Amino acid sequence: GAVVSQHPSRVICKSGTSVKIECRSLDFQATTMFWYRQFPKQSLMLMATSNEGSKATYEQGVEKDKFLINHASLTLSTLTVTSAHPEDSSFYICSARDTSGLRETQYFGPGTRLLVL
Amino acid sequence: DAKTTQPTSMDCAEGRAANLPCNHSTISGNEYVYWYRQIHSQGPQYIIHGLKNNETNEMASLIITEDRKSSTLILPHATLRDTAVYYCIVRVAGGGADGLTFGKGTHLIIQP
Repeated sequence: GAVVSQHPSRVICKSGTSVKIECRSLDFQATTMFWYRQFPKQSLMLMATSNEGSKATYEQGVEKDKFLINHASLTLSTLTVTSAHPEDSSFYICSARDTSGLRETQYFGPGTRLLVL
Repeated sequence: DAKTTQPTSMDCAEGRAANLPCNHSTISGNEYVYWYRQIHSQGPQYIIHGLKNNETNEMASLIITEDRKSSTLILPHATLRDTAVYYCIVRVAGGGADGLTFGKGTHLIIQP
């Protein structure tokens, strides 16, 4: 299957700082990428849809000013957690939508584990 | 997207076939059945998807009933590395840039 990478894989930061997470589709172009969050022992929850060249669409309850999303190219989307707090500690996972084949499929990155102290 | 129902957990012996069921009785005619799995502390991995015909790839087979109200994912020769949470998701393919809705999935444990 197609490959999606994330960087960094793990980050520890102090409360109040901002953290940027990158998501790249390595072997296909993705006009649409998605950001998910997963808390311990829970399932993935969609946070936002990232659209290349336009504003992201956020799910209900997700603060767009806190979770800044930029999708500047067809292979890169970034999620910036601004003024991070301990409750933002979570596993952040991106996915990229591959429409190049006969059937559309979403491929996921390996995830970024964020710990805010 | 239609709702799916999966057993919470299942055990399977290593080397045997693992059969994971999924009920999706409210599936619409244009909705596909997707399967993903998530190994602990990793991002979900795409396995397979289908509309109404049975599908097979190098990872698994997908059997969809004729009325499309249920399906079964088959891992033909399960290994310890197949221990993961398996998610059955129903959605329209290519019909909108929507993220996936994950339920609780089935925790498949492969026993040595």
